[in-house]
Amino acid sequence: DTAVSQTPKYLVTQMGNDKSIKCEQNLGHDTMYWYKQDSKKFLKIMFSYNNKELIINETVPNRFSPKSPDKAHLNLHINSLELGDSAVYFCASSPGTAANYGYTFGSGTRLTVV
Amino acid sequence: LAKTTQPISMDSYEGQEVNITCSHNNIATNDYITWYQQFPSQGPRFIIQGYKTKVTNEVASLFIPADRKSSTLSLPRVSLSDTAVYYCLSTGGLTGGGNKLTFGTGTQLKVEL
Repeated sequence: DTAVSQTPKYLVTQMGNDKSIKCEQNLGHDTMYWYKQDSKKFLKIMFSYNNKELIINETVPNRFSPKSPDKAHLNLHINSLELGDSAVYFCASSPGTAANYGYTFGSGTRLTVV
Repeated sequence: LAKTTQPISMDSYEGQEVNITCSHNNIATNDYITWYQQFPSQGPRFIIQGYKTKVTNEVASLFIPADRKSSTLSLPRVSLSDTAVYYCLSTGGLTGGGNKLTFGTGTQLKVEL
């Protein structure tokens, strides 16, 4: 069983479209995250939810809107896609918000905006 | 979060021990040192975490000196499958405000025959 699963794995879309990426974890973790890895391989946090509540919201454009229907799911919706949104998006989860918890990452969604 | 510095790349051969050193001069009292491994087209994978002295698990060992300004990840007898990017992070202690990992450039380890 995949611990943190993301769908789709690949997403190619045109500029201006709206798309969603879904994430589910079956680890019973309370905290979930979205990270973005750009072409230079830098991983940056975008959002974090703890028990469905938003606790971290980095300086991400308003076009990005996370939604957590329950603590096992964290979806990412992106409006009006731009070329610069092309990247690999990783979902992750951890047991809680303490730093001594290891994260479990999904395998990523490669988004290509053309 | 304290910034970490590590070599951009390292090369090794199968069967050798690999030590990757990470510098974290400004580490806070409550920060832990955590290492992640990332293979191409995969998400990072937690390897090991420590606060001070030595920690060992089935994958690696982590050495943290008393001043905690640096740490060394030790991979015993590497194989080709250990070729990956290794990230060193210093992570805040219990904050109650969210656990935000700040990834640096990582160290690209290449293992050859």
